[in-house]
Amino acid sequence: EAGVAQSPRYKIIEKRQSVAFWCNPISGHATLYWYQQILGQGPKLLIQFQNNGVVDDSQLPKDRFSAERLKGVDSTLKIQPAKLEDSAVYLCASSPPRNTEAFFGQGTRLTVV
Amino acid sequence: AQSVTQLGSHVSVSEGALVLLRCNYSSSVPPYLFWYVQYPNQGLQLLLKYTSAATLVKGINGFEAEFKKSETSFHLTKPSAHMSDAAEYFCAVSDPGTGGFKTIFGAGTRLFVKA
Repeated sequence: EAGVAQSPRYKIIEKRQSVAFWCNPISGHATLYWYQQILGQGPKLLIQFQNNGVVDDSQLPKDRFSAERLKGVDSTLKIQPAKLEDSAVYLCASSPPRNTEAFFGQGTRLTVV
Repeated sequence: AQSVTQLGSHVSVSEGALVLLRCNYSSSVPPYLFWYVQYPNQGLQLLLKYTSAATLVKGINGFEAEFKKSETSFHLTKPSAHMSDAAEYFCAVSDPGTGGFKTIFGAGTRLFVKA
């Protein structure tokens, strides 16, 4: 089966610009996660969707980050405006119903200059 | 609240030596525990998981981990390191919530393997 697809793989933007990342989870996976992984750290959960509803966004900096999963399938994560400290790898993952394992995409490496 | 602590941000072993990566967790409910591996410029790949069955869990690439409730530990081991094992390893804990499982990761341990 196809894995979690993310695009783009790499993005360089200037601070105060906007950027969007896209994720297509594995077919049939109800749960979708966005993680932020800063260099040298473990992934930090930003937001978790169950179908098209938000389950947890307690760690999402809502003044600049937004995410949606309108049809319960693919998802976009947006940053507006970006700051230098947003430089990180953004990982998308998905899980099937009632399953503990998260399947990860390859991530999008964002560099803010 | 659940959390994960990985002891040692860097571990270096010689090829053929024992690999031991340490992980301690806290969770208010019986946890599900995971080890993931991350190679450079790649996403995370599941090595193994504990979901309340056997306490000794065997994973891919010869890795295994033992769940010890009394010590709240889930250390990862491999009897003989190979050069290809050099990567970043993450321990994670997950417990069920109203909207599915929420997985929290440790800070990671980078494994170096010397020839």
